[in-house]
Amino acid sequence: GAVVSQHPSRVICKSGTSVKIECRSLDFQATTMFWYRQFPKQSLMLMATSNEGSKATYEQGVEKDKFLINHASLTLSTLTVTSAHPEDSSFYICSARSLGGYTFGSGTRLTVV
Amino acid sequence: AQTVTQSQPEMSVQEAETVTLSCTYDTSESDYYLFWYKQPPSRQMILVIRQEAYKQQNATENRFSVNFQKAAKSFSLKISDSQLGDAAMYFCAYRGYTGANSKLTFGKGITLSVRP
Repeated sequence: GAVVSQHPSRVICKSGTSVKIECRSLDFQATTMFWYRQFPKQSLMLMATSNEGSKATYEQGVEKDKFLINHASLTLSTLTVTSAHPEDSSFYICSARSLGGYTFGSGTRLTVV
Repeated sequence: AQTVTQSQPEMSVQEAETVTLSCTYDTSESDYYLFWYKQPPSRQMILVIRQEAYKQQNATENRFSVNFQKAAKSFSLKISDSQLGDAAMYFCAYRGYTGANSKLTFGKGITLSVRP
């Protein structure tokens, strides 16, 4: 079946630095990638939708300059958290449209100290 | 805008028993998809079951089945013969039928615990 590989699974960074999260579709072409943020015991909150070769569409309230999304190829989408602060600490999940539905990455736990 | 409501934050079931998780949604579209996703402690999202709105027959996947009531906009999940591995957070989700970029709208989720 369709697999989305998400890395890193965990990252700890210092406040003010940037962190990049990668999602790769391993056996299919992901023309559309969705990026979510999830707090403990809460639902997935859609941050942005990216399409290969075009600018991402951000949900209301999501800072596009802080959460940079790049979808330069059909198999790779990246989320960069710029100038990270402790309030950016969260669980980030990517999801790609695939045949039959959606395939999710395994998530990245970001801790900003 | 579409909304998905899961009003029960937590439920508990005895192992081998049956449990039903509730979900309602609101939409003005006539064609759409509905999903139940499971998120175990690993936090990997796993598709449990999916239903196309144009299909009258309720979807089933082994021990998992849905009760889809289109007029009532209700989409409940029944788990039969509950197992310890079913303990997880469960999300109901909606997706519109049209639009290549159609995104999933999730409910708040319900935490299911299974008592041995």
